[in-house]
Amino acid sequence: RKEVEQDPGPFNVPEGATVAFNCTYSNSASQSFFWYRQDCRKEPKLLMSVYSSGNEDGRFTAQLNRASQYISLLIRDSKLSDSATYLCVVRNTGGFKTIFGAGTRLFVKA
Amino acid sequence: DAMVIQNPRYQVTQFGKPVTLSCSQTLNHNVMYWYQQKSSQAPKLLFHYYDKDFNNEADTPDNFQSRRPNTSFCFLDIRSPGLGDAAMYLCATSRDKGYGNEQFFGPGTRLTVL
Repeated sequence: RKEVEQDPGPFNVPEGATVAFNCTYSNSASQSFFWYRQDCRKEPKLLMSVYSSGNEDGRFTAQLNRASQYISLLIRDSKLSDSATYLCVVRNTGGFKTIFGAGTRLFVKA
Repeated sequence: DAMVIQNPRYQVTQFGKPVTLSCSQTLNHNVMYWYQQKSSQAPKLLFHYYDKDFNNEADTPDNFQSRRPNTSFCFLDIRSPGLGDAAMYLCATSRDKGYGNEQFFGPGTRLTVL
């Protein structure tokens, strides 16, 4: 079993749609959680950190469920510019070992 | 602007010919990382430096080495590149370890091995 698993997609959604991604992790001692966005042939860029209480940044909402060991990302009112690969990132206790999921591809169409 | 810079952006080398990739940062972060990312795969951590302390991942081949001569610079040396080493190599930094401390990535160097 992979340490971090994501549905690879692709998710094909129309503009304005709401779309949700889930990510599961296997190490219950994992400490920090992030969502990164990666455009084709570009570097990953931090989208948001994920806190235990959940957090929201504009159209993006992230949730953490430690009991079930998954994190989620919700995108509301999808824009064409949201088309990208979304990487789930988990960091273990100690702070260095960072595990990336393979990413979920999103295509937003007009 | 504070940033992570990688040079070159594209590197072509021949099978078995040593190559060095460069990373510099103006963020004054303590930690620098090197990742390998192959097409449609997750970035895979090769090693990291916490200040001057080098930490190798257990499954990183011996063919890959790294140097950090000062806080700002970190190099990735591939001693004898094979065809399977063709990938995007990403450098990242973080201020420190522990809770939070997100990583900031450079634009990457795309390595082609002929």
